[in-house]
Amino acid sequence: EVQLVQSGAEVKKSGESLKISCKGSGYSFTTYWIGWVRQMPGKGLEWMGFIYPGDSDTRYRPSFRGQVTISADKSISTTYLQWSSLKASDTAMYYCVRATSVVTSLHYWGQGTLVTVSS
Amino acid sequence: QSALTQPPSASGSPGQSVTISCTGTSSDVGAYNYVSWYQQHPGKAPKLMIYEVSKRPSGVPDRFSGSKSGNTASLTVSGLQAEDEADYYCSSYAGSNILLVFGAGTKVTVL
Repeated sequence: EVQLVQSGAEVKKSGESLKISCKGSGYSFTTYWIGWVRQMPGKGLEWMGFIYPGDSDTRYRPSFRGQVTISADKSISTTYLQWSSLKASDTAMYYCVRATSVVTSLHYWGQGTLVTVSS
Repeated sequence: QSALTQPPSASGSPGQSVTISCTGTSSDVGAYNYVSWYQQHPGKAPKLMIYEVSKRPSGVPDRFSGSKSGNTASLTVSGLQAEDEADYYCSSYAGSNILLVFGAGTKVTVL
């Protein structure tokens, strides 16, 4: 069974750094794109970026490039989403997602990590 | 502003059918057979219901069906049940540069 298990909720202050994680299991971690989707309070879904753990190829949505860093450690089947300086506008639910071998649909979703940033 | 256009709401009585549209362009919905639909209950993670326009993942009831004509895709839920009340989002592959585009979501209410 494919599972994506995310790290727990975070409460941070503006300007702080943060790294959240997502551990994949039940499939070959290195052969599927895995990424992150943001959902701001009461809003829709936005993909932020994807990484192919097999070769660390990473794709960012233009609006998130330079704002976050996506990485993966294939030795522990874990992907990360990192901020160096949080803003209040980063307050959102963040979902880890596993795509197909090409990013055409998001077949599996983590449970979500709520990030709350206070100013 | 979302790339794909969905109606904000749709409703139906138990046992009836409801159809949600998802309109894109010739660069996304119209160009590829990679339309997906996701169901999201309040406070829960989205769940894939339809992929590649009309395919259902294992475990998704056959009451859920998808189709596409030109630049518009549709999700039909037949035999509505109370547990179908949720938000539904469509997405489409839009090429190797943009990857995916989403709709803003449709809230389905079971009357």
